[in-house]
Amino acid sequence: KNEVEQSPQNLTAQEGEFITINCSYSVGISALHWLQQHPGGGIVSLFMLSSGKKKHGRLIATINIQEKHSSLHITASHPRDSAVYICAVGGGATNKLIFGTGTLLAVQP
Amino acid sequence: DSGVTQTPKHLITATGQRVTLRCSPRSGDLSVYWYQQSLDQGLQFLIQYYNGEERAKGNILERFSAQQFPDLHSELNLSSLELGDSALYFCASSVAGGASGAQETQYFGPGTRLLVL
Repeated sequence: KNEVEQSPQNLTAQEGEFITINCSYSVGISALHWLQQHPGGGIVSLFMLSSGKKKHGRLIATINIQEKHSSLHITASHPRDSAVYICAVGGGATNKLIFGTGTLLAVQP
Repeated sequence: DSGVTQTPKHLITATGQRVTLRCSPRSGDLSVYWYQQSLDQGLQFLIQYYNGEERAKGNILERFSAQQFPDLHSELNLSSLELGDSALYFCASSVAGGASGAQETQYFGPGTRLLVL
C-alpha cells in the first residue's frame, strides 16, 4: 500500500463543474502539498498546508490531520484547469516529499 | 517561471553512458532537491542538498551521484545508464530545506527529459 493515495486516478468534468480530488496518507507529516503538472511537464506548487483550509482563486485545499485526509476543490472548472494534480506529504527535518500517483483531470468545454 | 533553471531540457543517450544534469536554484534558496518521474514509479525523491552538504537521501541508485557547489548550483550525475533510467528528472529548491524545522514550499524547475536508447 502506498503511503500517499489519491482518488480518483482519472477525472473528466464539464466546464463549470465543481471538482474534488482526494488524498489520504498513512505517515506522520508536517505539511501536505498540492502540486499541478501541466501536459508540458512543468510542476507548480499550489498549496502547502498543515491544518484547516486555504483558498487561492477558484482553488480550495482542506486538510484533516486526525483523519489523515486532504481534499483539493476546484470551483467553476475551466478547460485550462486540465492537468495532473499531485498530492505530496512532507515531514521531519529534511522537507523531502512523498508523492501520490496523481489525478489526471480533463475539463471539457 | 519558478526561478529554478535546469539544463539540458532534453537528453538522448545510449546504455552504458554517463550524463550530467545541472540545476540552478532560485536566488536566495539554499536547498536543492532532485526527483525522478518515471511512468511506472511516478515521482520519487532522490536526494537533497542544503548549503553544499547532503541533507537527505531517498531512492537514489548507487550509479547516481550528486553534489551542490559553493555557488549553490547542483549537478546530478547518472552513470552506466540503463533503459529503465529514462525519465523526467526534476530539480526543486527551497529557502532552508527544513533546517528551520518548518516545511517549505518547493519551487520546481522545468525538468530534464532523459531518454536512454
